[in-house]
Amino acid sequence: ETGVTQTPRHLVMGMTNKKSLKCEQHLGHNAMYWYKQSAKKPLELMFVYSLEERVENNSVPSRFSPECPNSSHLFLHLHTLQPEDSALYLCASSPGTDYREQFFGPGTRLTVL
Amino acid sequence: GQNIDQPTEMTATEGAIVQINCTYQTSGFNGLFWYQQHAGEAPTFLSYNVLDGLEEKGRFSSFLSRSKGYSYLLLKELQMKDSASYLCAALDSNYQLIWGAGTKLIIKP
Repeated sequence: ETGVTQTPRHLVMGMTNKKSLKCEQHLGHNAMYWYKQSAKKPLELMFVYSLEERVENNSVPSRFSPECPNSSHLFLHLHTLQPEDSALYLCASSPGTDYREQFFGPGTRLTVL
Repeated sequence: GQNIDQPTEMTATEGAIVQINCTYQTSGFNGLFWYQQHAGEAPTFLSYNVLDGLEEKGRFSSFLSRSKGYSYLLLKELQMKDSASYLCAALDSNYQLIWGAGTKLIIKP
């Protein structure tokens, strides 16, 4: 399998649930990213990891918790989310953290009830 | 503040040419990206411009004017499969990527 994969593709959860999103890249890249995409709004960068270390956290609420166990895997742990967190969550990777050659995964469509 | 402006939606006819404009205001500049995103799919990289001028890649071309803070994506010989959203993003001096909200392009037969 090549490229950037994300699971699950669709997720519906209640506000009291705990779930995790998974991202895996098979490109040998050193940087991985989580983005939030809401309808008709610009992509919002949430987290950046370089070589498994978090290098950026753009004021994201603590109910979103990232984890990067190695350079190929990235998780986003979710707990006590709000309905306004419903969005498409995109994972991306790139060789370095300068955003060039950034490859995106297909995203997880999250609905919070 | 930093900002990217692009039209929300455009409509064009199959076989025609369409130009999608993007203006940016950033703290410094390290290049401009265009991405294509089909509904329900991942954004895919189209082009990266850092120098002024036009870069052509098949049916798609991207233009940059750094002095005007302006770029456009030109799509020729439009095909139905070109119906998608086109995202403009500028890289500032701190290598932060500032995204536009995207332009939804509708192609009609």
